[in-house]
Amino acid sequence: GAGVSQSPSNKVTEKGKDVELRCDPISGHTALYWYRQSLGQGLEFLIYFQGNSAPDKSGLPSDRFSAERTGGSVSTLTIQRTQQEDSAVYLCASSLAAGVGETQYFGPGTRLLVL
Amino acid sequence: RKEVEQDPGPFNVPEGATVAFNCTYSNSASQSFFWYRQDCRKEPKLLMSVYSSGNEDGRFTAQLNRASQYISLLIRDSKLSDSATYLCVVNQGGKLIFGQGTELSVKP
Repeated sequence: GAGVSQSPSNKVTEKGKDVELRCDPISGHTALYWYRQSLGQGLEFLIYFQGNSAPDKSGLPSDRFSAERTGGSVSTLTIQRTQQEDSAVYLCASSLAAGVGETQYFGPGTRLLVL
Repeated sequence: RKEVEQDPGPFNVPEGATVAFNCTYSNSASQSFFWYRQDCRKEPKLLMSVYSSGNEDGRFTAQLNRASQYISLLIRDSKLSDSATYLCVVNQGGKLIFGQGTELSVKP
């Protein structure tokens, strides 16, 4: 079946602009996660959703970052007033549920470059 | 100190070699453990889960020592296709915490 999909695959923006990144989880997966991978920082957790609620948003680096999920499916990660340090690959993952033993399946990511 | 630490690598080995990766984690509340594989410019993919009893999947063997907070991965008879970055991962309360990864390059 279809895996996790993300769009756009690449995004180049100017410093100060807002960007929206989209994630479509695997059908039937109730848990959805956002991570980012940047040079020198490795992969770091941002936020996760169980259904439409976000029990853990501890990884969001600043209040310029927000995410929402509607209908228990698609999620959007929004970065306002982008900065150059926001340049990274933003990865979305989903799992059947939010349990600690659940396998998380990753999408291909969105490569964001802030000029 | 990083929450999950791995051998820095890179590991350059010939085909057929046996290679071992080590990883330590600092939070004793970590609840489950995994090795993921990431190819260049691709997303991470689950290689295997790791249990205290040890588990094996073909040429791959993973082991967890909770007392030492240590995780290992052994690859036997390495293939060219094993070249990738191997990520040690722990699950804390549903979120994954990743090590920096160890790069493996298998040469003919």
